Amino acid sequence: GAVVSQHPSRVICKSGTSVKIECRSLDFQATTMFWYRQFPKQSLMLMATSNEGSKATYEQGVEKDKFLINHASLTLSTLTVTSAHPEDSSFYICSATTRAGGSTDTQYFGPGTRLTVL
Amino acid sequence: SQQGEEDPQALSIQEGENATMNCSYKTSINNLQWYRQNSGRGLVHLILIRSNEREKHSGRLRVTLDTSKKSSSLLITASRAADTASYFCATFAGFKTIFGAGTRLFVKA
Repeated sequence: GAVVSQHPSRVICKSGTSVKIECRSLDFQATTMFWYRQFPKQSLMLMATSNEGSKATYEQGVEKDKFLINHASLTLSTLTVTSAHPEDSSFYICSATTRAGGSTDTQYFGPGTRLTVL
Repeated sequence: SQQGEEDPQALSIQEGENATMNCSYKTSINNLQWYRQNSGRGLVHLILIRSNEREKHSGRLRVTLDTSKKSSSLLITASRAADTASYFCATFAGFKTIFGAGTRLFVKA
């Protein structure tokens, strides 16, 4: 089956630094990738949708200058948390689909990255 | 709010009992999916039901969908301690998937 990986699985950084999280589709081409954030004991909140080769579409309330998303290839999307602060500490999960912005049967989720900002 | 609502928020049952979780959503959908998440881990896809389907089974799972009420239910029969996890419904509409608030299920051995 389709596999999505994330790297790193866990990262601890100092306040003010930037952190990059990678999301890769290992055995399929992902035309669309999604980034979610999940705080403890809460649900997943969609942050942004990215299509390969185009700018990401951010959900309301998500700062695009703080959460930089790049989807430069059909197998890789990156999320960079710039100038991270303790309130950015969260579980970040990506997902990928093979459909280009259309109806999709299943999204394939990565295992998540736990970010802790000290 | 992005999220639909799920109830109950938390459910504690004995092993062997059935667990029922409900999900309501706000907009028209193409499909609805249920996922499981163990604490601190990624999501596991359980089952997908399309908007033109009313009921679907997979092993010990039974999902129903009522598009007129914009609601769905997940039934886990003969629960096991290993079923302890959070369960989320997710609706696909407008080219994106939106998750419900989730139900935390605890199955006591």
